[in-house]
Amino acid sequence: GAVVSQHPSRVICKSGTSVKIECRSLDFQATTMFWYRQFPKQSLMLMATSNEGSKATYEQGVEKDKFLINHASLTLSTLTVTSAHPEDSSFYICSARLAGADYNEQFFGPGTRLTVL
Amino acid sequence: AQTVTQSQPEMSVQEAETVTLSCTYDTSENNYYLFWYKQPPSRQMILVIRQEAYKQQNATENRFSVNFQKAAKSFSLKISDSQLGDTAMYFCAFGSNYKLTFGKGTLLTVNP
Repeated sequence: GAVVSQHPSRVICKSGTSVKIECRSLDFQATTMFWYRQFPKQSLMLMATSNEGSKATYEQGVEKDKFLINHASLTLSTLTVTSAHPEDSSFYICSARLAGADYNEQFFGPGTRLTVL
Repeated sequence: AQTVTQSQPEMSVQEAETVTLSCTYDTSENNYYLFWYKQPPSRQMILVIRQEAYKQQNATENRFSVNFQKAAKSFSLKISDSQLGDTAMYFCAFGSNYKLTFGKGTLLTVNP
């Protein structure tokens, strides 16, 4: 149980284009989903917290107009990187919190490797 | 804001031996959770063990156990009978208000 999927697993795009990454909780409802960014050999940095049916909360320094997050249902959140540039190339990981859970565990997706040419 | 410090960027251990990974954290909160996550080369984050701060008893999961010292704000992970499949990056994480703060990680290599 508690499986989170991400699609696509890898994406290569040209500079200036937009890319959408999907995060789905497959066997549970997730009221809250999180988006992280991980550079090579570094830790996970939280970008934003996404709550179903409401606007995402972005961490300091994260451009909300560049990284658009939508959490339209209890099982799906999307991250759209708009007007992508080479410096946006990174590994993006989503996670989900089990609805109603009273602890802070998050279940992680397998990640999406974004390369912007 | 919480901070999590892992002071060992890399460690290695021989197969079947025991290794301890260190983690310290800083917080003013009293209710929180601590986690160790494993990230193998596939980069899938896998929960290794969880500790609730209000519990004095150290958590154990098979070969994995923690030494939780709340007053010292220390949360180390002990891996017994190390296996080749334990080779991975290990992240210590602090959880509060449903958010996680990660340390920089320790790359553990298990040698045959």
